[in-house]
Amino acid sequence: DIQMTQSPSSLSASVGDRVTITCRASQSISMHLNWYQQKPGKAPKLLIYGASSLQSGVPSRFRGSGSGTDFTLTISSLQPEDSSTYFCQQSYATPWTFGQGSKVEIK
Amino acid sequence: QVQLQESGPGLVKPSETLSLICTVSGGSLSIYYWSWIRQSPGKGLEWIGYTTDSGKTNYNPSLKSRVTISVATSRNQFSLNMSSVTAADTAVYYCAKFTYSSLSGWFDPWGQGTLVTVSS
Repeated sequence: DIQMTQSPSSLSASVGDRVTITCRASQSISMHLNWYQQKPGKAPKLLIYGASSLQSGVPSRFRGSGSGTDFTLTISSLQPEDSSTYFCQQSYATPWTFGQGSKVEIK
Repeated sequence: QVQLQESGPGLVKPSETLSLICTVSGGSLSIYYWSWIRQSPGKGLEWIGYTTDSGKTNYNPSLKSRVTISVATSRNQFSLNMSSVTAADTAVYYCAKFTYSSLSGWFDPWGQGTLVTVSS
C-alpha cells in the first residue's frame, strides 16, 4: 500500500495568516493527489483534485501544489470558517489511501 | 446534483454481518465508481472498496475476505456487507462517488455518513 504522511498533525494560526500543510507519499504518485476538508460531524468535502485543480465552488485562497512524492496545501489568508481537519488522498493505485489528517485551529 | 444517503442498522453484534445501503439521487450509477469508506479514531479514513454499475468490484486487500459490495441499478442503490465484525469495525461508514480521469481520481460527493457500533 502507498502510505500518505501529513504534517503537521495540528496547527494554530490567526485569521489572515498563510497556512501550509504538507503530504508525502511513500512512492511516486505523479499528480494523483487530492485534498479534503472535514468539519466535526460532517463528511469530508473535496477541495483540490489532481494535486492542483480547484474544485468548483471552493474559495481561491486554497491552493494545491506538488508532484511525485511531495505535495502542499496552502491557505493564503486563513478565515474563521477554515477551522477544520484536512486530509490528503492518493488515487494512483488501489488500495486508495488517505493521510492521517491535519487539524487547523484559529487562534 | 448527485446526492448520496447511507442507511442501515447502527448497532451490530460481534461475529455478525454489517449491512448498509447507499441510495443515489440526482443521477444514475453509470460511468463512475461507487465506493464505501469508513472512518474511525484508531485507523483514520480507510477505503473499503467500490462497485461499478456493471457490478465490477475492487476491494481493499485488508478487508477483502470479509467484504462484498453489490449494486442494484434499478433502485439506484449499492450496498456493503461486511461479515464477522468485531469492535475494530466500529466506525462512521460513508458512501461516495469516485470520478476517475487522466488527472486523478477523487471522491465527491460523499454521503453524510452513518455510525455503526459493534457491540453485544
